[in-house]
Amino acid sequence: AQTVTQSQPEMSVQEAETVTLSCTYDTSESNYYLFWYKQPPSRQMILVIRQEAYKQQNATENRFSVNFQKAAKSFSLKISDSQLGDTAMYFCALFSNTGNQFYFGTGTSLTVIP
Amino acid sequence: GAGVSQSPSNKVTEKGKDVELRCDPISGHTALYWYRQSLGQGLEFLIYFQGNSAPDKSGLPSDRFSAERTGGSVSTLTIQRTQQEDSAVYLCASSLEVAVSYEQYFGPGTRLTVT
Repeated sequence: AQTVTQSQPEMSVQEAETVTLSCTYDTSESNYYLFWYKQPPSRQMILVIRQEAYKQQNATENRFSVNFQKAAKSFSLKISDSQLGDTAMYFCALFSNTGNQFYFGTGTSLTVIP
Repeated sequence: GAGVSQSPSNKVTEKGKDVELRCDPISGHTALYWYRQSLGQGLEFLIYFQGNSAPDKSGLPSDRFSAERTGGSVSTLTIQRTQQEDSAVYLCASSLEVAVSYEQYFGPGTRLTVT
């Protein structure tokens, strides 16, 4: 079975500062993919960043980067130079090749304070 | 279309009534996914379509839930005899193919409230 755990229901960060959102997962598969999605108040889910499990190099997308620790099954998201528009729910997700489906965590509500 | 659209945006229904939720995927996307997002919860996967076919329906919460897709495009999620626990946001996503290498594009969701 696949599970994704986000242990921080809410977080806040000052504008221009850096924040890290935590995510741990469990899977029996050897090849899988991990994602971070952002859901602003508009409810539209937006892909932030993704990581292939077989790649050791951490993925980066502009101000967003991940710290992927495969042995520890940890996949944290770092947001640098936080902006007001980063205020949203952030979901960590794992894609299972077996079932062709995503498994999502319960989300972290991030507020960027001006 | 420009993106995935869903209708209605909001739906309030009485317990015991049937509801239909509609999803219009991005043109040319063969894969379509339905999720349920309950308050304070993550997204719960319900079902996916590859073309008009849904290979695995085990994610549907009960036999009151059904989904279909016709013409490889529009999909409807039907909930019969709605219950209060069905209240949630129902999200639809589409992608070019059913494969992780293809990004899923989400619609804005339908907020269903069962009174």
